[in-house]
Amino acid sequence: DAGVTQSPTHLIKTRGQQVTLRCSPKSGHDTVSWYQQALGQGPQFIFQYYEEEERQRGNFPDRFSGHQFPNYSSELNVNALLLGDSALYLCASSVGAIMSEKLFFGSGTQLSVL
Amino acid sequence: DQQVKQNSPSLSVQEGRISILNCDYTNSMFDYFLWYKKYPAEGPTFLISISSIKDKNEDGRFTVFLNKSAKHLSLHIVPSQPGDSAVYFCAASASNFGNEKLTFGTGTRLTIIP
Repeated sequence: DAGVTQSPTHLIKTRGQQVTLRCSPKSGHDTVSWYQQALGQGPQFIFQYYEEEERQRGNFPDRFSGHQFPNYSSELNVNALLLGDSALYLCASSVGAIMSEKLFFGSGTQLSVL
Repeated sequence: DQQVKQNSPSLSVQEGRISILNCDYTNSMFDYFLWYKKYPAEGPTFLISISSIKDKNEDGRFTVFLNKSAKHLSLHIVPSQPGDSAVYFCAASASNFGNEKLTFGTGTRLTIIP
């Protein structure tokens, strides 16, 4: 049973570019949450998708957007990249939009913005 | 505004001894608390949780204590084993329906010395 898978594992972009990160949830999970973990910090909640809709959003600008597909997989898009967007981006999946402890995290995508 | 704080960035403990990791929070709306463990190049994995209606929860070698009046929780690992070496994140949520996002601390790197 595959867990949460994220692609790519590493990515290098330059300022102003756009990036798309992808996430496939654990089998049987229907909810996907995205977190940003900057160096030396804990993960910060970006947003959560359930039933193909954004249900909750953290304190991130509109440059961060997402999508969930009918098969529950999800994409995170970041436009107009800034140096400060360099971070590990973690995807987490769960069943339903409740029960925090049942979050399963992927290994993340390390984004470097030059 | 750091609502969940882990003031010790690192901790070294002898194998077989007790490891105590601490976490403080400021948001009174938090009523559910979790500990996650993270190995390098992997996503965080759930370790143990506690609801605000309890003051202690045990799971094998891991015990979490919650002091609501002090807004403080701690994770005890006894006995500590080399495989426990990892970064530990404290996280909190306000578990009203529709608000299950996690707020993480900055983590404590635990090193178990053989």
